Amino acid sequence: DTAVSQTPKYLVTQMGNDKSIKCEQNLGHDTMYWYKQDSKKFLKIMFSYNNKELIINETVPNRFSPKSPDKAHLNLHINSLELGDSAVYFCASSLQGAVSYGYTFGSGTRLTVV
Amino acid sequence: GNSVTQMEGPVTLSEEAFLTINCTYTATGYPSLFWYVQYPGEGLQLLLKATKADDKGSNKGFEATYRKETTSFHLEKGSVQVSDSAVYFCALSDSGGGADGLTFGKGTHLIIQP
Repeated sequence: DTAVSQTPKYLVTQMGNDKSIKCEQNLGHDTMYWYKQDSKKFLKIMFSYNNKELIINETVPNRFSPKSPDKAHLNLHINSLELGDSAVYFCASSLQGAVSYGYTFGSGTRLTVV
Repeated sequence: GNSVTQMEGPVTLSEEAFLTINCTYTATGYPSLFWYVQYPGEGLQLLLKATKADDKGSNKGFEATYRKETTSFHLEKGSVQVSDSAVYFCALSDSGGGADGLTFGKGTHLIIQP
């Protein structure tokens, strides 16, 4: 199936730990994103990345860092996890220059920091 | 900067009722407009889109028309079903084709009662 897949689906961890969420797309898209959805369902972009540039939302703490080993993958690393990081994180992808065709989202990773 | 405003929920309707969810936007240039739907416990699915003024997007009985003069993209459905219960997000993407991603509204929780 062509899709954006992210793992794990659920992640429960203690404060202070470091964790990663993986994202892969097989759609041939060249731009990938991470979004955070808070408890009120509000969606906010954290990062966008293609092979030319990384755009970081200035409100994202530097404990969060994206890592892209290749065009089909954009992983999210989080250091020193805090309670406020608990949220659902969505990966997405698109084709630059063809954004009118829409963005494809993964099914989300629910992160719970205890 | 870009912004999307949509009516706050929850919106509760009876089955077969007419649905309107209002959405207005602020953007530079000529954005593409989208409605995404999030069913309980799931990720975001593209419901419909419109890329230029007066375009009408439609899918699964839902419709929305891109109104540049009123900067609006209201979602409508003539007869809702219980299965339409979900959170609906209006969103925009800059037409420049850059990697800025989507700007979302805060979401409208729709509850359809039998």
